[in-house]
Amino acid sequence: QQQVRQSPQSLTVWEGETAILNCSYENSAFDYFPWYQQFPGEGPALLISILSVSNKKEDGRFTIFFNKREKKLSLHIADSQPGDSATYFCAPNTDKVVFGTGTRLQVSP
Amino acid sequence: DAGVTQTPRHEVAEKGQTIILKCEPVSGHNDLFWYRQTKIQGLELLSYFRSKSLMEDGGAFKDRFKAEMLNSSFSTLKIQPTEPKDSAVYLCASSLWGAANTGQLYFGEGSKLTVL
Repeated sequence: QQQVRQSPQSLTVWEGETAILNCSYENSAFDYFPWYQQFPGEGPALLISILSVSNKKEDGRFTIFFNKREKKLSLHIADSQPGDSATYFCAPNTDKVVFGTGTRLQVSP
Repeated sequence: DAGVTQTPRHEVAEKGQTIILKCEPVSGHNDLFWYRQTKIQGLELLSYFRSKSLMEDGGAFKDRFKAEMLNSSFSTLKIQPTEPKDSAVYLCASSLWGAANTGQLYFGEGSKLTVL
């Protein structure tokens, strides 16, 4: 658990703004970095992922930026919508999946 | 396609009781995971099965928590005896073939346990 840290713990942005969620890790062996999105009362669901050989991955309004040297990555949510309000988990893995502490995002209309 | 099914969705137990949570993974998936989720600790791995074989039993959770995979389409998590600190959401997830190395986890909606 302590191997993966996410910040901020919670974040509030206005509709239309870009939300930036951060993740850092310690284990150099991690090579696959999925982000999961979780709504209240539901289980997490895969949102977007990146392999360590890439430094950027885009999927619509969601973009991952990855810095292997610094062991950091960030999830950018452009044009945030109220429907994006959820908790986001960074979950890097090699032979095990380690979930970060999560960032709770609130998008205000 | 049916996703991961967990029952019951809610369970209230008295301290000292035995409770059993159930999980049906996505058909054809080989890996099955049990997680506990709390606001303070986040998502903690309890057990991990690959092709019905127990690969990881969650270390600190060994003494009162026991997960079993009776067949490829059904798993249980038994907590015996329950304690108030076990109050949490218990999540089951499955993966086609290796959550690691690009395998995606599919989660159920969870079983919320309250121990009085």
